[in-house]
Amino acid sequence: GAVVSQHPSRVICKSGTSVKIECRSLDFQATTMFWYRQFPKQSLMLMATSNEGSKATYEQGVEKDKFLINHASLTLSTLTVTSAHPEDSSFYICSASHRGSGWNEQFFGPGTRLTVL
Amino acid sequence: DQQVKQNSPSLSVQEGRISILNCDYTNSMFDYFLWYKKYPAEGPTFLISISSIKDKNEDGRFTVFLNKSAKHLSLHIVPSQPGDSAVYFCAASATRNTDKLIFGTGTRLQVFP
Repeated sequence: GAVVSQHPSRVICKSGTSVKIECRSLDFQATTMFWYRQFPKQSLMLMATSNEGSKATYEQGVEKDKFLINHASLTLSTLTVTSAHPEDSSFYICSASHRGSGWNEQFFGPGTRLTVL
Repeated sequence: DQQVKQNSPSLSVQEGRISILNCDYTNSMFDYFLWYKKYPAEGPTFLISISSIKDKNEDGRFTVFLNKSAKHLSLHIVPSQPGDSAVYFCAASATRNTDKLIFGTGTRLQVFP
């Protein structure tokens, strides 16, 4: 199956700093990438959808100025958490899809655990 | 507003028996449903899907049933194996032309010997 990687897998930062998370599709070109966050024992909550070369579409309640998403190529999307605060601590997961991969099938990365001190 | 619900947060099943995970949805526009399996600190992996034109889809030990009138779907795993122990999420999509998925809250399955 298609492989999606994320880097870093774990990051700890101080409050007020910015953190960048990378999501890469390793063996296919992702026409669309998605960013989710998951709080402990809760569901995956979609944050935003990004298509290569265009602005991301954010879900209601997600601050686009705080969670900057860049999808510069068909294999790379980045999520930058700006001015991070302890409440941003969460598990961030990206996924990627390609029309040729099947109807609405998304391939997920391994996730990034962010801890803001 | 949780459009996709998994009312059982956990399920414990003996190895070899059947595991049945349930999922309910409220949005009648959903027409495609997926099940994902997730281990701790990992991303979800796709298991099986079903479109609204079907009521059953089978793939090896995994079968998904869809009851559109009840807005209910279930995942059957038989026989259950210890390696099946994980959190299972159902997800739904509203139209064929969107990639957006709405996830349920997950059910933690534990298969014991």
